[in-house]
Amino acid sequence: NAGVTQTPKFQVLKTGQSMTLQCAQDMNHEYMSWYRQDPGMGLRLIHYSVGAGITDQGEVPNGYNVSRSTTEDFPLRLLSAAPSQTSVYFCASARFTGGDSPLHFGNGTRLTVT
Amino acid sequence: EDQVTQSPEALRLQEGESSSLNCSYTVSGLRGLFWYRQDPGKGPEFLFTLYSAGEEKEKERLKATLTKKESFLHITAPKPEDSATYLCAVPNNAGNMLTFGGGTRLMVKP
Repeated sequence: NAGVTQTPKFQVLKTGQSMTLQCAQDMNHEYMSWYRQDPGMGLRLIHYSVGAGITDQGEVPNGYNVSRSTTEDFPLRLLSAAPSQTSVYFCASARFTGGDSPLHFGNGTRLTVT
Repeated sequence: EDQVTQSPEALRLQEGESSSLNCSYTVSGLRGLFWYRQDPGKGPEFLFTLYSAGEEKEKERLKATLTKKESFLHITAPKPEDSATYLCAVPNNAGNMLTFGGGTRLMVKP
């Protein structure tokens, strides 16, 4: 059981470049989400999904897109990278939506935008 | 708006020196409170869920308690391997978003 797998682990982008952060879970979890973690700001929700084909915005969605075509995968797209998007990105999944199921986190992607 | 505040931001303990971490929250209706542990370079790892005031959960040297306004994570006789950042979080009313506190970085020296 791999749990939540994120790739890549590290990435450096130049301002204006686009990229996709990959996230896959093998636990058949209904709920998936993306967070960014910044010093002094804690974990902030970017986007989330309550099932295949359903996505919604979190607290800080601007500059990011998501899609959920399968239960397993939830990629995060940066459309035009900006230095303010330098952060550590975590993907997390939960068995159910509803706040009763704990989140299972991947080990993060550390992104630097120059 | 849901708010979660953790204190202190950092805590240094000697091995064996017990202490408590605080998580204060403001939510319109508590659906639960989660505690996580995060090691450097890793994602947060789930520890406990508490659902109602008065509830307690224990795991090894950790005990989490909950009141109507705050939760405490008590660490009894900590060891260096307990060094980590501890995060608490609450779900919103719909249960589709978690609000995290800023975390407490715990350092236990031998």
